[in-house]
Amino acid sequence: EIVLTQSPGTLSLSPGERATLSCRASQSVHNNYLAWYQQKPGQSPKLLISGASRRATGIPDRFIGSGSGTDFTLTISRLEPEDFAVYYCQQYGDSPIFTFGPGTKVDIK
Amino acid sequence: EVQLVESGGALVKPGGSLRLSCTASGFDFSNVYMNWVRQSPEKGLEWIALIHRDVDSRPSLYPTPVRGRFTISRDDSRNTLYLQMNSLKIEDTAVYYCSSQGYLGELTGWGQGTLVTVSS
Repeated sequence: EIVLTQSPGTLSLSPGERATLSCRASQSVHNNYLAWYQQKPGQSPKLLISGASRRATGIPDRFIGSGSGTDFTLTISRLEPEDFAVYYCQQYGDSPIFTFGPGTKVDIK
Repeated sequence: EVQLVESGGALVKPGGSLRLSCTASGFDFSNVYMNWVRQSPEKGLEWIALIHRDVDSRPSLYPTPVRGRFTISRDDSRNTLYLQMNSLKIEDTAVYYCSSQGYLGELTGWGQGTLVTVSS
């Protein structure tokens, strides 16, 4: 089973700053099938990135996914007020078919 | 626009059963793999079932914690996804989401969720 570890647990930043979120897998992610989601309180997760680096439809280009194998990064180049949320990574392909990381909370400093 | 609307969540006693439904619109439901994912404070996001398209004729998939107790199904004529949950345990307490799946294994659309509480 692939285990995803996200760091840091919480990131305290100010609007306009750059956020760098890490997702590390215990084994290589099949075909880099790694996705990122944003979740705000009381809402369901929203897809940001698929295939490690492809932005979903309508996602601003300040969200940048990168990485391969076991190490992946979500960068938010310049935080907007609406970006403060919890971010999850998710892999697809190994048993169990989907696993999620525990999340990184980006909060306002 | 993709819309997924879950229903059926309730308070149920341990050992009980419940069926969740998810009505889809805004996309070609019959041509999409569908999933159920749950979320609880204790376990975070947890995938619990995947169903392929009818044309694929492939078995549905489940993780160990729910295999043999939960059954996912779909009715493409009604654009509806189901989750039959039997032998419910306290640890099944969570918000349950249905989700559509993309080609790279991403979960492209999510419903608003329905709360299942298992308690005596």
